[in-house]
Amino acid sequence: GDSVTQMEGPVTLSEEAFLTINCTYTATGYPSLFWYVQYPGEGLQLLLKATKADDKGSNKGFEATYRKETTSFHLEKGSVQVSDSAVYFCALSDQGGSYIPTFGRGTSLIVHP
Amino acid sequence: DTGVSQDPRHKITKRGQNVTFRCDPISEHNRLYWYRQTLGQGPEFLTYFQNEAQLEKSRLLSDRFSAERPKGSFSTLEIQRTEQGDSAMYLCASSLGDFSSTDTQYFGPGTRLTVL
Repeated sequence: GDSVTQMEGPVTLSEEAFLTINCTYTATGYPSLFWYVQYPGEGLQLLLKATKADDKGSNKGFEATYRKETTSFHLEKGSVQVSDSAVYFCALSDQGGSYIPTFGRGTSLIVHP
Repeated sequence: DTGVSQDPRHKITKRGQNVTFRCDPISEHNRLYWYRQTLGQGPEFLTYFQNEAQLEKSRLLSDRFSAERPKGSFSTLEIQRTEQGDSAMYLCASSLGDFSSTDTQYFGPGTRLTVL
């Protein structure tokens, strides 16, 4: 079945550092790919998404490119802020099915001033 | 639009008791989903509705769990005879449900259940 694998956290960075959170997936079809963010005490929020190969999703300085050849959707940001501290979830949904997403385990990001 | 809301935000109960959670989706959204999230894990799908019809249930949803969406608007999730293993965050999400690649789920803040 479909699955998502994320790098384990926590990822600890200093403010203005470059961020990469790795995500790879396994899917039988051609899924849509998502990154969600969960701030402390809040629900999940959609951060960005991509629906086909080579698409780049971007939002709030974060970017991720749908790489079909490497089945990856790595999240990047050039300069993180303390306010980016949160848990980030990679997810996929099967476009040919019911669009129910499969989530990774999440990666905690801690940004120090 | 105030987004997806859930009530209560926290529930503490004793083992064996029944609990019920409510979810109010974004008003024009046809789909409503329930997930369970335990510490250090991503959300796990439980069930979803397309309008008032419950279309899919995960095998995680034991017979003690039941969900309804009687008028295609709000939904309730009931857990009967709670067990300590039911302790988790229960998340609700809604989406337009237009079967397009842009269909996006919007999550509520969750209900945290603690079973003593």
